[in-house]
Amino acid sequence: AQSVTQLDSHVSVSEGTPVLLRCNYSSSYSPSLFWYVQHPNKGLQLLLKYTSAATLVKGINGFEAEFKKSETSFHLTKPSAHMSDAAEYFCVVRTPPGNTGKLIFGQGTTLQVKP
Amino acid sequence: KAGVTQTPRYLIKTRGQQVTLSCSPISGHRSVSWYQQTPGQGLQFLFEYFSETQRNKGNFPGRFSGRQFSNSRSEMNVSTLELGDSALYLCASSLETSANEQFFGPGTRLTVL
Repeated sequence: AQSVTQLDSHVSVSEGTPVLLRCNYSSSYSPSLFWYVQHPNKGLQLLLKYTSAATLVKGINGFEAEFKKSETSFHLTKPSAHMSDAAEYFCVVRTPPGNTGKLIFGQGTTLQVKP
Repeated sequence: KAGVTQTPRYLIKTRGQQVTLSCSPISGHRSVSWYQQTPGQGLQFLFEYFSETQRNKGNFPGRFSGRQFSNSRSEMNVSTLELGDSALYLCASSLETSANEQFFGPGTRLTVL
């Protein structure tokens, strides 16, 4: 069975400092992995996705993630946090890969950005 | 291009009633998926529809059902509502398959009293 585990339920950083949101996955296939963001009272927005091309994936708003098969990790990073980054972040795996499948969400990480 | 729209945005029902939620996908998108979001269980997949056929289903009881119309609009129905059905219900659409990027609507907030 495929799953994702977000290692931190809450992360707090100061504006201008780096962001690291951690995600480990479990998959019997070569996984398709995503990061989504959810701002309060808004729908989910795709930040980036990994689908077995480049292991370093660049997304929107300066976020990027690195797929590390040896560590079964897909951590999300950003060099410098902005106040507008405060939101809920979800690491997601699609199971099974291919044309059909469902998204399996992690429990989410709340990112707080302090001025 | 308009995004995914969901109606109504907020809904209050009592136990035992039934409810129907509606989702209009982005124009040209043929796949619609539904998710339930609760504080305790997080985001969970309900089902996916494509060309009016249910293509994938999550682990929810039969009280949860859905359908898709020829214009790709989708509805989900929950019968005999329980308190635990209180949640944010999210709809997502994608071009051909859920392998394409899924675009999410703002959700319908259902409260069961």
